[in-house]
Amino acid sequence: LAKTTQPISMDSYEGQEVNITCSHNNIATNDYITWYQQFPSQGPRFIIQGYKTKVTNEVASLFIPADRKSSTLSLPRVSLSDTAVYYCLVGPSGSARQLTFGSGTQLTVLP
Amino acid sequence: NAGVTQTPKFRVLKTGQSMTLLCAQDMNHEYMYWYRQDPGMGLRLIHYSVGEGTTAKGEVPDGYNVSRLKKQNFLLGLESAAPSQTSVYFCASSSEASRSGNTIYFGEGSWLTVV
Repeated sequence: LAKTTQPISMDSYEGQEVNITCSHNNIATNDYITWYQQFPSQGPRFIIQGYKTKVTNEVASLFIPADRKSSTLSLPRVSLSDTAVYYCLVGPSGSARQLTFGSGTQLTVLP
Repeated sequence: NAGVTQTPKFRVLKTGQSMTLLCAQDMNHEYMYWYRQDPGMGLRLIHYSVGEGTTAKGEVPDGYNVSRLKKQNFLLGLESAAPSQTSVYFCASSSEASRSGNTIYFGEGSWLTVV
């Protein structure tokens, strides 16, 4: 299983764009990259998933370079309510049981 | 649309007591999971099930047992609770169809304190 590395914490201000990068140097050919968000006292929530290039939904964008050894979660114009822990997971699609949640990145949005 | 429901939400146990955490999902998912999350840590997989009547060990299975008698329910049991099992427990489910990606649906969590 691909190991991921992401920053422990990040601070940002309201209205800014936030980019959280995840490294996954040994990603396999059939692995997908999935990001989850966890608020205090709640279970994680799926944000976005991608395989290559760029994926965008109503919440975030995911940028994946050609070599796929890293990925960047982009949150546009963050608000205080975006303060949460963000997890980057790598694994084959349809094999959620193989996904490993690391410590994630604590994003704190300041007023 | 309930999704994944866990009971109880809070529980205090004495060392050596036993208890069962109940999890129910209404999305007809094949896979179900139990995770634990300690303060400041990520989630660690305790046990999981790929279908009714089947269970498998995850990363930290010791001290826990599980059962999946019905597709919609996944039970986590502590036979003899220890203070080290004080944690937040999350139940989750997912569809393992390849087109579903890796979307895992989590419950609200169960806070367990062992004194």
